[in-house]
Amino acid sequence: GENVGLHLPTLSVQEGDNSIINCAYSNSASDYFIWYKQESGKGPQFIIDIRSNMDKRQGQRVTVLLNKTVKHLSLQIAATQPGDSAVYFCAESTSNYGGATNKLIFGTGTLLAVQP
Amino acid sequence: DTAVSQTPKYLVTQMGNDKSIKCEQNLGHDTMYWYKQDSKKFLKIMFSYNNKELIINETVPNRFSPKSPDKAHLNLHINSLELGDSAVYFCASSQQDEGYTGWSYGYTFGSGTRLTVV
Repeated sequence: GENVGLHLPTLSVQEGDNSIINCAYSNSASDYFIWYKQESGKGPQFIIDIRSNMDKRQGQRVTVLLNKTVKHLSLQIAATQPGDSAVYFCAESTSNYGGATNKLIFGTGTLLAVQP
Repeated sequence: DTAVSQTPKYLVTQMGNDKSIKCEQNLGHDTMYWYKQDSKKFLKIMFSYNNKELIINETVPNRFSPKSPDKAHLNLHINSLELGDSAVYFCASSQQDEGYTGWSYGYTFGSGTRLTVV
């Protein structure tokens, strides 16, 4: 696929295991964070978001943890399935522009490879 | 029922040409964006519009001119295309939270336009 040869950080897990994808963000003033999943040939797909007044948020099979002290974000995927194979991006945003918009600053991306 | 749709999906053109990419969202969002993804998968914002008003222009060359005829549409016109413009361009939209300055709901991306300049 198009991800071959990209040299992204890669996490390889067995089907059924839990996955943890980590992200270090850059701006201590960032107050809104989103995790996206991008499959080959598709656009980024929203997974889960979290605001800076929270340190944990859960969705269906996914949990996002936010540690503002060390500027770290993680995405936990429970019981990883082959369909979870994709590139995962964290994105941070800051409340400026008078609330009219949110500029997302994306991390590098992590390739999750699920082995059947 | 596509939420954010952009056309065309693929665009191959010669250097020096002018081309446009169109984007429409049916989510009722008030903010739209253009992002560029390079060959290393790095995603970077180019422009943002809120209710047809340009809010962010992220030091993009002025060969790139966005146009928002209404809040559901944000088109991108590129003049004098260069080899370095080859990338995947993503349109996105979001709804701004009126109750708290700066937070967004439903930040949604389109499926991308792969532009190849030869």
